Amino acid sequence: NAGVTQTPKFQVLKTGQSMTLQCAQDMNHEYMSWYRQDPGMGLRLIHYSVGAGITDQGEVPNGYNVSRSTTEDFPLRLLSAAPSQTSVYFCASSPGTGVGEQYFGPGTRLTVT
Amino acid sequence: LAKTTQPISMDSYEGQEVNITCSHNNIATNDYITWYQQFPSQGPRFIIQGYKTKVTNEVASLFIPADRKSSTLSLPRVSLSDTAVYYCLPDSGGGADGLTFGKGTHLIIQP
Repeated sequence: NAGVTQTPKFQVLKTGQSMTLQCAQDMNHEYMSWYRQDPGMGLRLIHYSVGAGITDQGEVPNGYNVSRSTTEDFPLRLLSAAPSQTSVYFCASSPGTGVGEQYFGPGTRLTVT
Repeated sequence: LAKTTQPISMDSYEGQEVNITCSHNNIATNDYITWYQQFPSQGPRFIIQGYKTKVTNEVASLFIPADRKSSTLSLPRVSLSDTAVYYCLPDSGGGADGLTFGKGTHLIIQP
């Protein structure tokens, strides 16, 4: 199993550009989630999904969209990048919350200039 | 969501036992407690999970008292490679529960 994969590993955007961060898992997990982590900070939940076709907002959803058309994929879209979105983004999956552990991807380091 | 409180940072030395305590005063009856470890530039990694009393695996032990208002992660005989940030998460199995990380405890191990 590849586990949780994220692409790209690094990305530089100009303010106002849009892009999609890709996340895929091959463990047939129901739950998937996106986090951002700023220097010296913990992880903040952006959006999450409890299954294909179902998504919900986390703590910091503004400026981001998600969709979950398949169990395996959970892309994160930045609609109009802003410097405040410079961060490291982690995707995670889990069999389900409650007695389940999350498996994290390697992260995408995004810089918005 | 159960709010957690952990020390921001801790220092110890190689070979010592380290105990990191997390307070979760309003933990729900159904909540499990999960601990993660995060190294720089990596995603968090699951360490251990428990509901009450004591749980032990090859990496750590987790102590949860009867009132379940706190939990203590115990790392035996730490090494330099245990320097990391440690997070505790209550998880009741609904919605965003179990997906909410605090700022964690930055553990620094010195020679």
